[in-house]
Amino acid sequence: AQSVTQLGSHVSVSEGALVLLRCNYSSSVPPYLFWYVQYPNQGLQLLLKYTSAATLVKGINGFEAEFKKSETSFHLTKPSAHMSDAAEYFCAVSGPNTGGFKTIFGAGTRLFVKA
Amino acid sequence: EAQVTQNPRYLITVTGKKLTVTCSQNMNHEYMSWYRQDPGLGLRQIYYSMNVEVTDKGDVPEGYKVSRKEKRNFPLILESPSPNQTSLYFCASSYRAGGPSDTQYFGPGTRLTVL
Repeated sequence: AQSVTQLGSHVSVSEGALVLLRCNYSSSVPPYLFWYVQYPNQGLQLLLKYTSAATLVKGINGFEAEFKKSETSFHLTKPSAHMSDAAEYFCAVSGPNTGGFKTIFGAGTRLFVKA
Repeated sequence: EAQVTQNPRYLITVTGKKLTVTCSQNMNHEYMSWYRQDPGLGLRQIYYSMNVEVTDKGDVPEGYKVSRKEKRNFPLILESPSPNQTSLYFCASSYRAGGPSDTQYFGPGTRLTVL
């Protein structure tokens, strides 16, 4: 069965530092991959998605992610963290190996940004 | 404004008392889905619907029912709630049923407590 692993339930960075949030998936068949962000007391909103076009995907708010098939990874990065980036981030996968039209989410990584 | 709405936003109930959480979208989306969010587990899919009268189980369907009689509405029914169904629930929708790569739009969430 398809699974998604996010390394680190909490990540803390200083304002202006690089943000790196890790996501690995288990499928041998390249799936569709997503990063969603959840701000406090809100629903999720899409940051970016990979759908088998370019392997480097750019999203909103300066975030980007690179699909690496050999590593089954889809890590999220941002060159310079801003206080407003503090939120919880979820990696998700969908596609043929989820058993239909399911979406599988990772456990989430909470990002803290220090002034 | 394009949106997914859920009601109620907060609900405290007692074991065994049937309840319904409503979900409605105004974007003419085919695909709708219900998730529950629990600390450390991320979002887990309960049920999804690819179109009117077409529903299927997600990863955690036990104790829940859904129906899709109209395209815009996808209510979640708990026939006999139990304390282990205390959670934060999200409804989501996306444009196409056949496109798992499509962006999902999330409602604001319903926080349910079962005593």
